[in-house]
Amino acid sequence: ETGVTQTPRHLVMGMTNKKSLKCEQHLGHNAMYWYKQSAKKPLELMFVYSLEERVENNSVPSRFSPECPNSSHLFLHLHTLQPEDSALYLCASSQGGTGMNTDTQYFGPGTRLTVL
Amino acid sequence: GDSVTQMEGPVTLSEEAFLTINCTYTATGYPSLFWYVQYPGEGLQLLLKATKADDKGSNKGFEATYRKETTSFHLEKGSVQVSDSAVYFCALRGLTGGGNKLTFGTGTQLKVEL
Repeated sequence: ETGVTQTPRHLVMGMTNKKSLKCEQHLGHNAMYWYKQSAKKPLELMFVYSLEERVENNSVPSRFSPECPNSSHLFLHLHTLQPEDSALYLCASSQGGTGMNTDTQYFGPGTRLTVL
Repeated sequence: GDSVTQMEGPVTLSEEAFLTINCTYTATGYPSLFWYVQYPGEGLQLLLKATKADDKGSNKGFEATYRKETTSFHLEKGSVQVSDSAVYFCALRGLTGGGNKLTFGTGTQLKVEL
């Protein structure tokens, strides 16, 4: 049991649609992350939130918009995506804030996104 | 910047064979090192970790030793099972980005056959 849940598990959307991915962590953690996993590529860190404040944005296109309303929930809002955005989107959480390089991240099962 | 290099897969082994998946890294200072495993259709699960040089992480029969002199963190298991079939990711957590950033390798797929 990971303690990090993601919904939906699968999503198919057109390029003009607007959808949202949801992540919830039940571990009492203070930091949450969005990653993109594409075939044959390393996981790409997209966003980091620590204590509900965005602390990192790795040059992600504006068609991806994160939202962290509280320390347990993280959303990724999607609009006007491209077919190359099709991937597995993983959410993770960890205990601490910044500066803790021994902190362990726990991952959710991911949302498999297909953009037509 | 930080980087992780893993051996390319897929690695195909017979049940009860010995497993080694190589991982080397580039980072400043003393990063923490991790192995994650991803079973089909699932997210990543932490398998083991080591936070300082010469530490050995171990879990479920898997082991990896943090070797600073060779900047390596190779994953080993003495006798693999079919249920070990998955993709294995080596990762490091360095000091850049406030210590929140995990840098992953591309993953190594392991297939274990009867």
